[in-house]
Amino acid sequence: AQSVTQLGSHVSVSEGALVLLRCNYSSSVPPYLFWYVQYPNQGLQLLLKYTSAATLVKGINGFEAEFKKSETSFHLTKPSAHMSDAAEYFCAVSGTQGAQKLVFGQGTRLTINP
Amino acid sequence: DAGVTQSPTHLIKTRGQQVTLRCSPKSGHDTVSWYQQALGQGPQFIFQYYEEEERQRGNFPDRFSGHQFPNYSSELNVNALLLGDSALYLCASSFGTFSYEQYFGPGTRLTVT
Repeated sequence: AQSVTQLGSHVSVSEGALVLLRCNYSSSVPPYLFWYVQYPNQGLQLLLKYTSAATLVKGINGFEAEFKKSETSFHLTKPSAHMSDAAEYFCAVSGTQGAQKLVFGQGTRLTINP
Repeated sequence: DAGVTQSPTHLIKTRGQQVTLRCSPKSGHDTVSWYQQALGQGPQFIFQYYEEEERQRGNFPDRFSGHQFPNYSSELNVNALLLGDSALYLCASSFGTFSYEQYFGPGTRLTVT
């Protein structure tokens, strides 16, 4: 079975500050890991993905995440927050064999203060 | 290049009624997955269709059923609606049985009164 825990349902940072959104996973098989972003009244957009290549993954809009097997973590970071980053962020895990279902965390709402 | 499209955008139904939601996958994609996202929650996997057959199913009752057509579009049907079925229903498409990357549509917001 697979599961994802996102620590902190709400995170608030100032514009220009570091963004850190935490994700820990549990998986009985080697996982693929994803971060998605959801803007109000919209679907999910893929930010970045880990698929067992480089452990430091760079995504769109300046986001990156590091896969740490020893800590079962896949935290999302961005060096400098922008007002347009305000959204809901979801971490997800899947198996690696074919088109697997995604198992999502509960989400973290990111607020950017001017 | 058209992305994943879903219809309708919003829907209001009464308890006990039946509803059909529709999804057209991204051009070139042949696999469709459906997810339910309750308010304030992460999406939950309902089922996945490939080659017009259900390949995987999440922990949802038989009231939830689906179909995939030869053009790869898909429908999600929910019978005997309950208040708890109120949610955003998301469709995601991908290519083939080895693709791990899923592209999501904007969703259908279902309200059951």
